[in-house]
Amino acid sequence: GQQVMQIPQYQHVQEGEDFTTYCNSSTTLSNIQWYKQRPGGHPVFLIQLVKSGEVKKQKRLTFQFGEAKKNSSLHITATQTTDVGTYFCAGWGGNKLVFGAGTILRVKS
Amino acid sequence: DAGVIQSPRHEVTEMGQEVTLRCKPISGHDYLFWYRQTMMRGLELLIYFNNNVPIDDSGMPEDRFSAKMPNASFSTLKIQPSEPRDSAVYFCASNTGRANEQFFGPGTRLTVL
Repeated sequence: GQQVMQIPQYQHVQEGEDFTTYCNSSTTLSNIQWYKQRPGGHPVFLIQLVKSGEVKKQKRLTFQFGEAKKNSSLHITATQTTDVGTYFCAGWGGNKLVFGAGTILRVKS
Repeated sequence: DAGVIQSPRHEVTEMGQEVTLRCKPISGHDYLFWYRQTMMRGLELLIYFNNNVPIDDSGMPEDRFSAKMPNASFSTLKIQPSEPRDSAVYFCASNTGRANEQFFGPGTRLTVL
């Protein structure tokens, strides 16, 4: 069945360092969404990408959707302690919505 | 807006008991999703509804699980009988279009002893 692989599973960075998480789908996606979940909290929507090759920015966060619409990335520039949490990608392929396993980000101050 | 409301927030029960989780979606949202989150399996979509009708329940793990949406403002996820491996956080989410951003509730943490 459709799968979305997300790497890395876990990353521990020093405050001020950059961070990137990647998602790869086994099938073409109609769109991809990114969510952030703080420890003990619930997923909160960050952004949605729809177009092939699309790039969107939110302050220090940069989101990309691959040309083939099968991969995506989230890059955080100069991480802060407020960035800690788990970042998930989610994509619709046909009638199926699949979430990546998430990347846990820890930031050392 | 109160957001998506889930109850109870925590549930501890014994194996074999029936468990009912409740969700009130955001008013005006016509899609409702139920998820289960565990460390081992991550976030899994169990079932989703459109206009109170179940569209895809292929994620429901087995017959012990059932979900209903009797009206636009209420949905339940029932587990009968419950087993220890059902212990997880169950989230409900809603939105205005299947592929649009989803608004998650705070979740119900279920522990089955």
